[in-house]
Amino acid sequence: GAGVSQSPSNKVTEKGKDVELRCDPISGHTALYWYRQSLGQGLEFLIYFQGNSAPDKSGLPSDRFSAERTGGSVSTLTIQRTQQEDSAVYLCASSLAGGGDYGYTFGSGTRLTVV
Amino acid sequence: AQSVTQLDSQVPVFEEAPVELRCNYSSSVSVYLFWYVQYPNQGLQLLLKYLSGSTLVKGINGFEAEFNKSQTSFHLRKPSVHISDTAEYFCACGNSGGYQKVTFGTGTKLQVIP
Repeated sequence: GAGVSQSPSNKVTEKGKDVELRCDPISGHTALYWYRQSLGQGLEFLIYFQGNSAPDKSGLPSDRFSAERTGGSVSTLTIQRTQQEDSAVYLCASSLAGGGDYGYTFGSGTRLTVV
Repeated sequence: AQSVTQLDSQVPVFEEAPVELRCNYSSSVSVYLFWYVQYPNQGLQLLLKYLSGSTLVKGINGFEAEFNKSQTSFHLRKPSVHISDTAEYFCACGNSGGYQKVTFGTGTKLQVIP
């Protein structure tokens, strides 16, 4: 597609429930990133995909968080047994591979509220 | 490891006045530097980037930034701001070699006052 698409745009869930957040990157972008933006905080790196593999998942805050990418395209971030501290905007970005000079294209994010 | 510091969390400025948003970085290797802008309820948009060469980088919407290696800074400037520039601005840096994991600062909210 023309841009990075994320769904849903907003999600309200009860504490303890599982949620899935979806990211559709720009066609042809082999690199995909998930970041979390909490109120008053900067962007916190979660995970990086190159193709379908995740060479850097160092930012995942706990084992309740997992992510996968299929077909070198769509990625899903899953949060199990959600907690109130998981409330944040989850941003996905994609970029062309082959070096660090392209910058990211971001989606509009998924605002997650855990009540 | 690398880090990015944006000392000003909020910057109010009158319309048509100049503005400078400060950014300092720390890295043990060569870096690429970026500024992103986030308008309300939107994702981040790339404003400009420094990869190499000229230390003065021009971006969209009349913004420019200057890379200063000795001061490890990459401050963002605009000579005359407009109401539409009201947004949050994020400075970021990434490794110049290998895969590009980008580290972001905590952001600076620019409020343009009519």
